[in-house]
Amino acid sequence: DIQLTQSPSFLSASVGDRVTITCRASQGISSYLAWYQQKPGKAPKVLIYAASTLQSGVPSRFTGSGSGTEFTLTISSLQPEDFATYYCQQLNSYPITFGQGTRLEIK
Amino acid sequence: QVQLQESGPGLVRPSQTLSLTCTVSGGSINSGDYYWTWIRQPPGKGLEWIGYIYYSGTTQYNPSLMSRLTISIDTSKNQFSLKLRSVTAADTAVYYCARALRSDWQQDYWGQGTLVTVS
Repeated sequence: DIQLTQSPSFLSASVGDRVTITCRASQGISSYLAWYQQKPGKAPKVLIYAASTLQSGVPSRFTGSGSGTEFTLTISSLQPEDFATYYCQQLNSYPITFGQGTRLEIK
Repeated sequence: QVQLQESGPGLVRPSQTLSLTCTVSGGSINSGDYYWTWIRQPPGKGLEWIGYIYYSGTTQYNPSLMSRLTISIDTSKNQFSLKLRSVTAADTAVYYCARALRSDWQQDYWGQGTLVTVS
């Protein structure tokens, strides 16, 4: 199985901050990576797919980059509604796997 | 607007079979553009991909669950289902059904999730 390791696991930031979350894959996955946002008690919501393509309806302050084994999700200016848990997901090979999550909290 | 809704028992006894159904509305499940997917999340933990089914009946399962798992589809009812046999407390989780795009693989629509407790 391909392991995905997210860093950091926990992030404390303020409204207006720029934050970056990293996802590292245990082997190359080309650009087959998606990012999801999950709020408590809710289903995950896709933000980015194919490593850098913004899902329709997602604000442009979210950007994804990377390929191979290292990927990043950047939020350019944190808004109050962005405080949530973020997961990366590899879609290169079966079984599809997720990172362990990054919890983003208000400082 | 596509909507997915999970249904099934919220409590299952150990060693029994967990059965859930996902009903899709606002779109046809009988489409070659999507994979119909199950994902679960134990309380307070991360996400685990369970598997998917294609409209034709082709399935892909997580090897960690494959020996106990069956995913099926009923295109006449616009539903797909999950059966997980011989459950233990480790199978306690929120179970989500979701639609995955065949073009890019991401899950773009999700059900609200249903908590299944094994006890």
